[in-house]
Formats: sequence, C-alpha cells, structure tokens
Amino acid sequence: AQSVTQLGSHVSVSEGALVLLRCNYSSSVPPYLFWYVQYPNQGLQLLLKYTSAATLVKGINGFEAEFKKSETSFHLTKPSAHMSDAAEYFCAVTLAYGNKLVFGAGTILRVKS
Amino acid sequence: EPEVTQTPSHQVTQMGQEVILRCVPISNHLYFYWYRQILGQKVEFLVSFYNNEISEKSEIFDDQFSVERPDGSNFTLKIRSTKLEDSAMYFCASSLIGELFFGEGSRLTVL
Repeated sequence: AQSVTQLGSHVSVSEGALVLLRCNYSSSVPPYLFWYVQYPNQGLQLLLKYTSAATLVKGINGFEAEFKKSETSFHLTKPSAHMSDAAEYFCAVTLAYGNKLVFGAGTILRVKS
Repeated sequence: EPEVTQTPSHQVTQMGQEVILRCVPISNHLYFYWYRQILGQKVEFLVSFYNNEISEKSEIFDDQFSVERPDGSNFTLKIRSTKLEDSAMYFCASSLIGELFFGEGSRLTVL
C-alpha cells in the first residue's frame, strides 16, 4: 500500500526566506505525487503534480517540487516566502489515475513578517 | 473555470439522525470521491465511485455510509445514523484523468 510522510507538522519562515516542506513516499510501483494547499475554511487546491515526466515540477504561486526516486522524496520548495503562502500543505500519492489519493498529515506553514 | 460544488456548507445534526451531503462534480469527470477531515487531522479517503458503482472504500466507510449518483449530475453521501465521531469536514472530489478537483467541503457537526 502507498503512503506519504510529511516531516514537520509546523514550519515557520520569515517573509522572503526559502520555503522547504518535506514529503517522503512509500510505494510498491512508480507513484503519482501531488501537493495540495488548504487555506483556512477552504477546500484543497492543487499546487503541482508529478506524473513520471520531468522530475522537477513547477506549480502555481512559484512553488516547485523535485521527485527523487533514490530518496523516495518529493519535497516542496519556494525560493521566497510571501505572507499569502501561510496555509496548510498536503502531500499525496496515488498509484494510478482513478485510484484513491492517500494524503500525508499536512504541514502548516507560518510566514513571519 | 469548472468547479466541484458542495451543499450544505455547514450542517448541524443530532446524534442518530440521517444526513445527506450533496456534491455536483465537474460535468465531464468520470471518477468521484468522498474524503473527510476531522478537525486537526489528516484528510482521509472514504470512497471512490466509477461507472455507477463503488470502486473502492476504506474501513471507515461502513454500513452507515452510502453513496449515490441519482441523476447523472449529483453525487451524494448519506450517513444513516450519525455518531459524534462523524463530526468532520467532508470533501467531495472528481477527476477525469489526472488530478482530483476538490469542493469547498461540507462541515458536519453532530451534537
């Protein structure tokens, strides 16, 4: 069965600093990986996805993630944090389109001014 | 831009009552899902639905839960006899081939 682990339930960065949110996956077959963002009292919005094409994936709002098979990781980064990035971020994995998504526990990002 | 819509946004009910949560998926999508998120916890898969039948369900999705796509547009989640622990945000999602698109959620509070 597939799973994801997000290291750090809370991450705090200063405005303008690098954002790094960690995600490690476990999967018996090459996975599809996603990052979703959830703003307070809102639904889940897709940031980016990895679908076995390029290993470096660019998403919305300046975020990107790199798939590293050797490390079973799919960490999310943004070079310069903005106050509007404060939200909860979820890493998710699926084995195939149409199958269920399995979510990590989430990481709450706080951006300090 | 097409979106998944869910109603109601918030429902308060008494323990033991039946609840129906409604979703209108994106019109050309083929796969439909329900997830739930208990306050402060992770997003959990409940059930997936394809070709008018359940394709997968989690251990959470017991006999108290059912799903229907009654008219080709709505996708409903019914909880027959609610328990306190059913209090959560319930998310509907749909997909065609690719990522899941989520609705804004329905917050269920069971008293």
